[in-house]
Amino acid sequence: SAVISQKPSRDICQRGTSLTIQCQVDSQVTMMFWYRQQPGQSLTLIATANQGSEATYESGFVIDKFPISRPNLTFSTLTVSNMSPEDSSIYLCSADPSTDTQYFGPGTRLTVL
Amino acid sequence: KNEVEQSPQNLTAQEGEFITINCSYSVGISALHWLQQHPGGGIVSLFMLSSGKKKHGRLIATINIQEKHSSLHITASHPRDSAVYICAPNRSMEYGNKLVFGAGTILRVKS
Repeated sequence: SAVISQKPSRDICQRGTSLTIQCQVDSQVTMMFWYRQQPGQSLTLIATANQGSEATYESGFVIDKFPISRPNLTFSTLTVSNMSPEDSSIYLCSADPSTDTQYFGPGTRLTVL
Repeated sequence: KNEVEQSPQNLTAQEGEFITINCSYSVGISALHWLQQHPGGGIVSLFMLSSGKKKHGRLIATINIQEKHSSLHITASHPRDSAVYICAPNRSMEYGNKLVFGAGTILRVKS
């Protein structure tokens, strides 16, 4: 199994600012994923992060708005840039350390005023 | 049309009832996850299955790859089962696997 932690767990930010969310896995994983869950909605994949290469973004998400780092096999960050109230969501990271399952972080609850 | 359709969207049951949540998908997949999300946001993967049936305690998940359909059953439901259940087929992509998500089923079990 894998344990995934995220920091911060929640934050309240002013519009126009940026927030970096950290995701730490307790074992080495090839693929890490970042999701957004807007209020009352299901999850949407933002991007896939492989170590040593640029993240692959889904349609509707761009690197300038959501830059991602993946410096090693256990860690990744997602930055939400130039925030607006529409960015208020839960942001989750996940990893699939094996072919059997996928593990999710506890999420970061972001409120933008 | 959504790639993943779940039904029902909302479900209220009495404690002890047998519950079924259905998931139909239109994409080609390598496997399918059933996820549970409690208030507060934490998500747990209950099952990943690529064929047949899996059982874990009071939870049973089945999948029919040919019919592109999966079901999650809860036997002897309990108020602690109250959560959002999400069907998430696992698509194989060039760069790895990608989950696509159903809208979720909000389950409330009353005592």
